Amino acid sequence: DAKTTQPTSMDCAEGRAANLPCNHSTISGNEYVYWYRQIHSQGPQYIIHGLKNNETNEMASLIITEDRKSSTLILPHATLRDTAVYYCIVSPGPTGNQFYFGTGTSLTVIP
Amino acid sequence: GAVVSQHPSWVICKSGTSVKIECRSLDFQATTMFWYRQFPKQSLMLMATSNEGSKATYEQGVEKDKFLINHASLTLSTLTVTSAHPEDSSFYICSARGARGVEQFFGPGTRLTVL
Repeated sequence: DAKTTQPTSMDCAEGRAANLPCNHSTISGNEYVYWYRQIHSQGPQYIIHGLKNNETNEMASLIITEDRKSSTLILPHATLRDTAVYYCIVSPGPTGNQFYFGTGTSLTVIP
Repeated sequence: GAVVSQHPSWVICKSGTSVKIECRSLDFQATTMFWYRQFPKQSLMLMATSNEGSKATYEQGVEKDKFLINHASLTLSTLTVTSAHPEDSSFYICSARGARGVEQFFGPGTRLTVL
């Protein structure tokens, strides 16, 4: 079963930062936080992952709270192409690594 | 890098026939591959995990005799839906992970419609 809770939907104005929260209060010490997004009728796209520290790549930033019970994905300048369902997943690293998807957040970027 | 392909993209078949879906990692060796199913307006549901050269591990409630998974090489896994019925109509998605990575990279999905 999914171990994460996300808001069902969010809107964001084009050009503004989109902040997507995720609650994972039962996360274990060896579990990573992963973020993926899925545009309609396509396979999920990897965005970013982290264990303890905040992470940043060309797509997004991941902020993980100190107690690791929640995280926020930040898309710094949202575009219309960022409209998608965003999934937050917690899973161990190379060992096991099964992904159990929750319902995700449907992000709509508004012109 | 980290490209995963699926074939076919979509397939329509008659009830009672079997359908094979291929999943390939194009630029890395996938020691582990995963198969998911997604019904309309629902999230992805993990069906099974397969390690190269080993039998697949199926999630609870997934019939292993109906959904045959073969992971014979480090770049190819196949899912065969045997004796397909209309309720098997769904979007089937595979993902792959390399030996050193922790990310999964997903294929584009295969839309199966059983008439």
